[in-house]
Amino acid sequence: DTAVSQTPKYLVTQMGNDKSIKCEQNLGHDTMYWYKQDSKKFLKIMFSYNNKELIINETVPNRFSPKSPDKAHLNLHINSLELGDSAVYFCASSQGGQNYGYTFGSGTRLTVV
Amino acid sequence: QKEVEQDPGPLSVPEGAIVSLNCTYSNSAFQYFMWYRQYSRKGPELLMYTYSSGNKEDGRFTAQVDKSSKYISLFIRDSQPSDSATYLCAAQNTGFQKLVFGTGTRLLVSP
Repeated sequence: DTAVSQTPKYLVTQMGNDKSIKCEQNLGHDTMYWYKQDSKKFLKIMFSYNNKELIINETVPNRFSPKSPDKAHLNLHINSLELGDSAVYFCASSQGGQNYGYTFGSGTRLTVV
Repeated sequence: QKEVEQDPGPLSVPEGAIVSLNCTYSNSAFQYFMWYRQYSRKGPELLMYTYSSGNKEDGRFTAQVDKSSKYISLFIRDSQPSDSATYLCAAQNTGFQKLVFGTGTRLLVSP
């Protein structure tokens, strides 16, 4: 199946832990994104990579560190998790930075307890 | 103030109704406008994409952009229960600029 796939789908962890979320796309896109969706459904961009190069880095705590080993993969590592990090994290991809529509993964629901 | 504003709803309509969903935006540099549909516990999926002002139709869906008033609309004709979802409008500048989303409007279509 061609898609953007994220793992894990659900993540429950304690405050202070470090966790990673992985994302892979097989659409041949060259740009990938991490978005955070809060409890009110607001989607906010966190990072964007084009051909493994960081091109968008919103005001995100430096506990969040993205890594793109190649243009088909974008991972998100979060250190010292806090209660406020609880949200759904979506990975997305597109061809170029342009606006022909992003393809989103199905999300990773992170709950910090 | 958010760059893209949207009434969160919920908007409840009977099956077969015409639905109108709307957004306003503040950044006059936005050139590309999109509507995404998000079902519960799923990722957003692209419904409609429009460049600059004008209308675009795709089946039961029509997207309208009025850049002079910074207003974005999505019309759904003959709404179906399967249209029940959250609808997110989004806007983008040119190039590798971030896609900015509204907060989404929850639509409920009852049989």
